[in-house]
Amino acid sequence: DIQMTQSPSTLSASVGDRVTITCRASQSISSWLAWYQQKPGKAPKLLIYKASSLESGVPSRFSGSGSGTEFSLTINSLQPDDFATYYCQQCKSYPYIFGQGTKLEL
Amino acid sequence: EMQLVESGGVVVQPGGSLRLSCAASGFTFDDYDMHWVRQPPGKGLEWVSLITWDGRSPYYADSVKGRFTISRDNSKNSLYLQMNSLRTEDTALYYCAKNRANAFDIWGQGTMVTVSS
Repeated sequence: DIQMTQSPSTLSASVGDRVTITCRASQSISSWLAWYQQKPGKAPKLLIYKASSLESGVPSRFSGSGSGTEFSLTINSLQPDDFATYYCQQCKSYPYIFGQGTKLEL
Repeated sequence: EMQLVESGGVVVQPGGSLRLSCAASGFTFDDYDMHWVRQPPGKGLEWVSLITWDGRSPYYADSVKGRFTISRDNSKNSLYLQMNSLRTEDTALYYCAKNRANAFDIWGQGTMVTVSS
């Protein structure tokens, strides 16, 4: 199975900051990586697919990059609504394993 | 509006069985592969199972293989997860999700399964 290592597990930031979350795959997954945002008591929401494609309706301050085994999610100019938990997921082969999650807190 | 609504979650004893359902609306159900994902209380996301659009090819996480069976009825726009030989570690919120471009673009609100004696 392809394992995903996400870091950091917790990230403290302020409104207006630029933050980056990283995700590393145990083997190459090309660009088959997705990023999700989850708020307490809510279902995850797709932000980025195919490593860098922004899902429709997602603000442009979110961006994804990377290929192979190293990926990142960047949020520019953090807004109050962005404080949540973020997950990466490899989508190259089953099982579609998720990263451990990064809690972005104020 | 595309929507998924799960149902069937309850409290069940270890070793018991349960069938979850997911009703889809607002999109052409039989055009898409569908997934089940679970989240234990306070923990992260775990992919559980996939079924292809035509129902012919199921895939499972090792943790549920041989115990869970995914199925779908395209005539009813519905996805199912039959869960047998349930264990305490199966306790989780179970989500169904729609596949698009190998990502999960639509999620239901989840249904809670608690395995406890």
